[in-house]
Amino acid sequence: QVQLVESGGGVVQPGRSLRLSCAASGFTFSSYGIHWVRQAPGKGLEWVAVISYDGSGKKYADSVKGRTTISRDNSKNMVYLEMNSLRAEDTAVYSCAKSDYSHYYFDYWGQGILVTVS
Amino acid sequence: DIQMTQSPSTLSASVGDRVTISCRASQSISAWLAWYQQRPGKAPRLLIYKASSLESGVPSRFSGSGSGTEFTLTISSLQPDDFATYYCQQYNSYPVTFGQGTKLEIK
Repeated sequence: QVQLVESGGGVVQPGRSLRLSCAASGFTFSSYGIHWVRQAPGKGLEWVAVISYDGSGKKYADSVKGRTTISRDNSKNMVYLEMNSLRAEDTAVYSCAKSDYSHYYFDYWGQGILVTVS
Repeated sequence: DIQMTQSPSTLSASVGDRVTISCRASQSISAWLAWYQQRPGKAPRLLIYKASSLESGVPSRFSGSGSGTEFTLTISSLQPDDFATYYCQQYNSYPVTFGQGTKLEIK
């Protein structure tokens, strides 16, 4: 079955950096785009970034653009989100999500990992 | 960016009720809309995609309709497991955006 498992979260000071990882299994990883979506405590869902199936295409939300890099390693079935210059408003649960083959809705989600900037 | 607005923000209902949640897009998104259910502490679950297509494994009491800028999610007969928060999401263009959520509470 499809599994997405995030790691790398925790408490980080403002201005510092953090790298989140997403380990995928149960599907042909190299055929699908992977997204990061975040949810601040008690708030709604906010899309953060996407990387295409082969890593050639990347897009970012304006709120993280210039501070964030998404990458993937198809040999390891891993996706990474490197966030720099972290701010208090980046505090959220970060989830990786698999998109449909040709459309950008999310058919599988990880459980998420909490990042606290304080 | 396309803004997604859900109504109501909170909905109180009883088991067995029929409920409808609305989602409006700030510009036409054709039928590129998905609905998700999120229970507390859990990951969102895809219910509906392409406005009205039911995701595999989702009970048939869930249905979606609409196109352009106006969309609805209907639950035909509420079950205890259905009390959760529901989000719409447009995927017509980047950045993909979500509605603010509708919390479905037990009356």
